[in-house]
Amino acid sequence: DGGITQSPKYLFRKEGQNVTLSCEQNLNHDAMYWYRQDPGQGLRLIYYSQIVNDFQKGDIAEGYSVSREKKESFPLTVTSAQKNPTAFYLCASSTGTQMIGELFFGEGSRLTVL
Amino acid sequence: QKEVEQDPGPLSVPEGAIVSLNCTYSNSAFQYFMWYRQYSRKGPELLMYTYSSGNKEDGRFTAQVDKSSKYISLFIRDSQPSDSATYLCAIPAPATNKLIFGTGTLLAVQP
Repeated sequence: DGGITQSPKYLFRKEGQNVTLSCEQNLNHDAMYWYRQDPGQGLRLIYYSQIVNDFQKGDIAEGYSVSREKKESFPLTVTSAQKNPTAFYLCASSTGTQMIGELFFGEGSRLTVL
Repeated sequence: QKEVEQDPGPLSVPEGAIVSLNCTYSNSAFQYFMWYRQYSRKGPELLMYTYSSGNKEDGRFTAQVDKSSKYISLFIRDSQPSDSATYLCAIPAPATNKLIFGTGTLLAVQP
């Protein structure tokens, strides 16, 4: 079955540690996205990539980094510079045509900083 | 002013009720309008997609767009407990590959 796989589902981290969230898709989509979801704030875009080896900052990129070395993979690193990293992180993909179409989401990764 | 605003809820209704979920937006250039449904601890999934003004029906769900008021609505008829979820409106930002999401409305349908 085609889809988006995020791992881990739950992650605990101590303050000052970097952590990397995995996102893999087998939908052959060009575009991939990372969103952060907090209660009462909806989905906020962290980074997105429309093509391999290229990515752009979203609305809240500070304290995060990404890479896009392969079409199917778009890992997100939450660095120690992120002031409030506890959140639900969602990865998504789309076909990547000029006008965004349907986003396909993974099941999310919940990060808790202790 | 946020580009997309959504009634935050939460909303609790009895089974069988008609539910109305609403968003407003500020940019008159917006043309496409989406509704996503998100079950607890899951990723959102696209529920309906409409273009420009008017209504679109899909089973018990109707999406309505009023471009003159910059107002979009999702109606759920004969609501079921399985409809309990967070509903997010989403609008593609013109000339970009980005979606602007509302904050979501949490709906609980009581059996």
